[in-house]
Amino acid sequence: NAGVMQNPRHLVRRRGQEARLRCSPMKGHSHVYWYRQLPEEGLKFMVYLQKENIIDESGMPKERFSAEFPKEGPSILRIQQVVRGDSAAYFCASSPPGQPSGNTIYFGEGSWLTVV
Amino acid sequence: SQQGEEDPQALSIQEGENATMNCSYKTSINNLQWYRQNSGRGLVHLILIRSNEREKHSGRLRVTLDTSKKSSSLLITASRAADTASYFCATDARGSNYKLTFGKGTLLTVNP
Repeated sequence: NAGVMQNPRHLVRRRGQEARLRCSPMKGHSHVYWYRQLPEEGLKFMVYLQKENIIDESGMPKERFSAEFPKEGPSILRIQQVVRGDSAAYFCASSPPGQPSGNTIYFGEGSWLTVV
Repeated sequence: SQQGEEDPQALSIQEGENATMNCSYKTSINNLQWYRQNSGRGLVHLILIRSNEREKHSGRLRVTLDTSKKSSSLLITASRAADTASYFCATDARGSNYKLTFGKGTLLTVNP
């Protein structure tokens, strides 16, 4: 049973380019979450998605960031026109159907974005 | 302090000793979880304790939860060099049953 799969693991982008991070949840999981970890910080919630629905995007920056979880395929976190401050580790997590609370949330290995 | 704030920030012990890390939070919670993160890696789930539980064990791990003090502790007994990692507590607050709030973590170093 594969865990949460994220790719790429490491990504280098120049300022102004776009970054696309992909996440395939664990088999049978229908809830996907994206978190960001800045250097020396804990993880910060960004967005919670179910298939074809954004449930809560209260942690997403207002501009340049978007997320989707289509009916088919992985969840995508897209960052347009990246800036140096976007350099961070981006973690995807998933949990099984039903009420998220009380369910263990499983994290992927992360995608480490470096903006040069 | 932040929701889900751990202390100490760093802890260095000898192999075989016990390590205790603490976590404090501000708002009422549904659950509290502890995660481990090795440098440059993802988070590994260690244990989940519900708000109506006071203590939970898993192998060499013991977690306590005191909702009256809004605090939790993680005890690792008989530590090993392989336990060297950052440890984070994460809470999901009442009324927001999916959004985990993490502290900055405790960096544990276990010296062989």
